[in-house]
Amino acid sequence: AQSVSQHNHHVILSEAASLELGCNYSYGGTVNLFWYVQYPGQHLQLLLKYFSGDPLVKGIKGFEAEFIKSKFSFNLRKPSVQWSDTAEYFCAVNQPYNTDKLIFGTGTRLQVFP
Amino acid sequence: DGGITQSPKYLFRKEGQNVTLSCEQNLNHDAMYWYRQDPGQGLRLIYYSQIVNDFQKGDIAEGYSVSREKKESFPLTVTSAQKNPTAFYLCASSMSGDTQYFGPGTRLTVL
Repeated sequence: AQSVSQHNHHVILSEAASLELGCNYSYGGTVNLFWYVQYPGQHLQLLLKYFSGDPLVKGIKGFEAEFIKSKFSFNLRKPSVQWSDTAEYFCAVNQPYNTDKLIFGTGTRLQVFP
Repeated sequence: DGGITQSPKYLFRKEGQNVTLSCEQNLNHDAMYWYRQDPGQGLRLIYYSQIVNDFQKGDIAEGYSVSREKKESFPLTVTSAQKNPTAFYLCASSMSGDTQYFGPGTRLTVL
């Protein structure tokens, strides 16, 4: 069965530090990839997505992710985090011909201290 | 104001009671979804519907039921058969084949 792994469960950083959150998936075929963010008390929001094309995807608020097919990975990065980036981050994957089955990772809780 | 609304925000239920969670969208999306979020487990799919009057079970459908009588609405009933119903429930919608967008959620607590 398809699965998504987020190995960092809880990350603590100081402001201005660089961020990289890992995401690996198990399916070997064509996939769509997503990062969602859940700020405290807010909706789950789409941060960025990859369907095809340039494997380096830029999203909102200065986030980017790189799809590396050979490593089955879609890691999320930000060069300099802010206190307002404190949130829970979820990686998700589905297949282009079965988009209803969106599989989520277990999430990474990011805390940024001033 | 377009989007997905869920009500109530907080819901308390006594054991043995059925409760219904509301989800409405005015985005003209075809597909709607219900997920359950538990700490440390991410989101798991309960039910989804691609068109009116049709829906499919997700990965954890036992103890839940849904209906899709209107395109805009996809209510979820948590029945007394659900053994561990305390959780955060998220509704989502999408145009078929596209990105899913989420509502604000309902936190259900069983007393």
